[in-house]
Amino acid sequence: DIVMTQSPDSLAVSLGERVTIRCKSSQNILYRSDNKNYLGWYQQTPGQPPKLLISWASTRESGVPDRFSGGGSGTDFTLTISNVQAEDVAVYYCHQFYNRPCTFGQGTKLEI
Amino acid sequence: QVQLVESGGDVVQPGTSLTLSCAASGFVFDDYAMHWVRQVPGKGLEWVAVIWYDGSNKYYADSVKGRFTIAKDFSKDTLYLQMSNLRAEDTAVYYCAKTQTGYYLAPFDSWGQGTLVTVSS
Repeated sequence: DIVMTQSPDSLAVSLGERVTIRCKSSQNILYRSDNKNYLGWYQQTPGQPPKLLISWASTRESGVPDRFSGGGSGTDFTLTISNVQAEDVAVYYCHQFYNRPCTFGQGTKLEI
Repeated sequence: QVQLVESGGDVVQPGTSLTLSCAASGFVFDDYAMHWVRQVPGKGLEWVAVIWYDGSNKYYADSVKGRFTIAKDFSKDTLYLQMSNLRAEDTAVYYCAKTQTGYYLAPFDSWGQGTLVTVSS
C-alpha cells in the first residue's frame, strides 16, 4: 500500500498568514500515460464530511477560494493557503488514488 | 446538485450484521464509481470499499474483506454496504463518496454527511 505522510501534524497561525502543508507518498503517483498526479486535497471542518479542495495535485475545485493552491509532482506535494481566514480552521488530508487501496494522509490540523 | 444521504447506522453487538444505505441524487448514478470511507471519531480517514460505475467490479480494504459487501441498486439510485461479523474496530462514521469521473481511481468530489456505526457489547 502507498503510505501518505503529511507534515506537520498540526499548526497554529495568525489570520492573514501563509501556510504550507506537505504530503509525501511512499511511491510515485504520477501516471505517465496521462501525465497526471493522482492526488487530492480535502478540507474537513468540525462535524462535517471532507470536502474536495484540489484534484490532480493542482486543480482547484469550483467554488474553492483562490487562496488555496496545490503543487508538487511524483512523490512530494504541497497545499498552500495564502491569507488564512478564520473559516479555514479544519483538518486537511491528502489522498492518493493512483492505485488501490487508495490511501489518505494522517491529516494536518490548522488552528488560528 | 449532488446529494448523498447515508442511513442505517446503529449500535450493535460484536458478531452481528448491519446494512448501510446511501441514497444518491443530482447526478447519473449509473455513470460513477462509488466508495465507502470510514472515520473513527477524532481520527483519520480509512477507505473501505469501491464499486465500479456499472457494478461489475468491487474492491475492499483488507480489514473488511470477506465481511463487508458493497452493492449498487440502479433502480433506486442507492449504494449499500452490507456488514457482517462486526468487530469493535469497525466502530466509525461511515461516509459514501462519489468519484469525480466514472473511473474508480479518481478524487472523491461529493460526500454524504455520514452515519455512525457503534459496535459494542
